[in-house]
Amino acid sequence: QVKLQESGPGLVKPSGTLSLTCSVSGASIDSSDLWSWVRQSPGKGLEWIADIYHSGDTNLSPSLKSRVTVSVDKSQNQFSLKLASVTAADTAVYFCARLMLDYDGLYYFDYWGQGILVTVSS
Amino acid sequence: DIQMTQSPSSLSASVGDRVTITCQTSEDISNYLNWYQQKRGEAPKVVIYGASSLQPGVPSRFSGSGSGTDFTLTISSLQPDDFATYYCQQSSDLPRTFGRGTTVDVK
Repeated sequence: QVKLQESGPGLVKPSGTLSLTCSVSGASIDSSDLWSWVRQSPGKGLEWIADIYHSGDTNLSPSLKSRVTVSVDKSQNQFSLKLASVTAADTAVYFCARLMLDYDGLYYFDYWGQGILVTVSS
Repeated sequence: DIQMTQSPSSLSASVGDRVTITCQTSEDISNYLNWYQQKRGEAPKVVIYGASSLQPGVPSRFSGSGSGTDFTLTISSLQPDDFATYYCQQSSDLPRTFGRGTTVDVK
């Protein structure tokens, strides 16, 4: 059973840096799948932020690219997100997810964390 | 970016109804289209991937069809557990984009 769990501060000050970690169990970060971050603003839809491969290679959303850093820690079976210079617009529930690559070359998010609400406020 | 247009944005239905949700993309994505179900306060859950493949464990009343730019999610006989918001998502190109969601609520 694959499980993902987000952790990190639930409150970040404007202009600060949002830092979250996703702990993975039941699967190895060091696999062919990708590991992703997705967020959902209150009452809004889903927004993809980034993917990271076990190698450390990343795909980043162009709209957030200048502020996003993602990294992987294979020894802890975790991956992390940092979002710099946050504003109230970054207030959202942040999910980590596994991006499955199946044998037909199809990508889909098959496992998700429960999500963590991060509020940007002074 | 590939734009995803879902319709309707919401619908009201009764248990036993056949429900159809559509998703149109701004460019041809072949079959790289996934559908997710999200209940309030929970993470999304994939129900259909690759436009028409049923995720293991998902009831067979869910089905997906389409290719290119036009896709459909159908629930053949709506059950109480199916009241939720449904999102389409394309995996053809970066950035990965989602539709704005369709909320299915009780009539």
